[in-house]
Amino acid sequence: ETGVTQTPRHLVMGMTNKKSLKCEQHLGHNAMYWYKQSAKKPLELMFVYNFKEQTENNSVPSRFSPECPNSSHLFLHLHTLQPEDSALYLCASSHWVGQDPPNYGYTFGSGTRLTVV
Amino acid sequence: LAKTTQPISMDSYEGQEVNITCSHNNIATNDYITWYQQFPSQGPRFIIQGYKTKVTNEVASLFIPADRKSSTLSLPRVSLSDTAVYYCLVGREYTGRRALTFGSGTRLQVQP
Repeated sequence: ETGVTQTPRHLVMGMTNKKSLKCEQHLGHNAMYWYKQSAKKPLELMFVYNFKEQTENNSVPSRFSPECPNSSHLFLHLHTLQPEDSALYLCASSHWVGQDPPNYGYTFGSGTRLTVV
Repeated sequence: LAKTTQPISMDSYEGQEVNITCSHNNIATNDYITWYQQFPSQGPRFIIQGYKTKVTNEVASLFIPADRKSSTLSLPRVSLSDTAVYYCLVGREYTGRRALTFGSGTRLQVQP
């Protein structure tokens, strides 16, 4: 375990379903991130939250809706997804600005393997 | 964030030393160099970070020349379990608005 826990580990959903991915960290970090990793592609940044405030939305379709109720929890709500949205969804956390020298990077969860059928 | 260039893939044998070089010609003065390792179906894992000269930890060494336009990750005596994708990232990701941006990485295959 890395300290960042993602559930579920695997998810199969139909295109008309609504589901949510959950991420939880108790590392004292105040920034959380969603990344998408499709087969044989680099990780793509989706959303950034700093102190519960969304600071970046990397042109993600509205069928993906993030929620950050507190600095320890992050959700990704999914609805009417497409088969091309099948991927590994990774959550990460880190300290935010003001760390000098920087701390030791992002901590990633193990991801949720999503399959849209 | 500075753009990085690294080999797409490398092959090695168990017990050998592996060096993966990353080019980052437009690195900024305040940028740090960070390497991550990723196994299939897992999130990337921090390996090492440095600013200049040499950094060593229990897992790897990072060599950074004086001009900082490149860096080399050195893995001593690799084993089969070191087979993974290795990412080089450059930037001062702890300030500013941009989060970590990953490139394609280097796929290291270690054979018996």
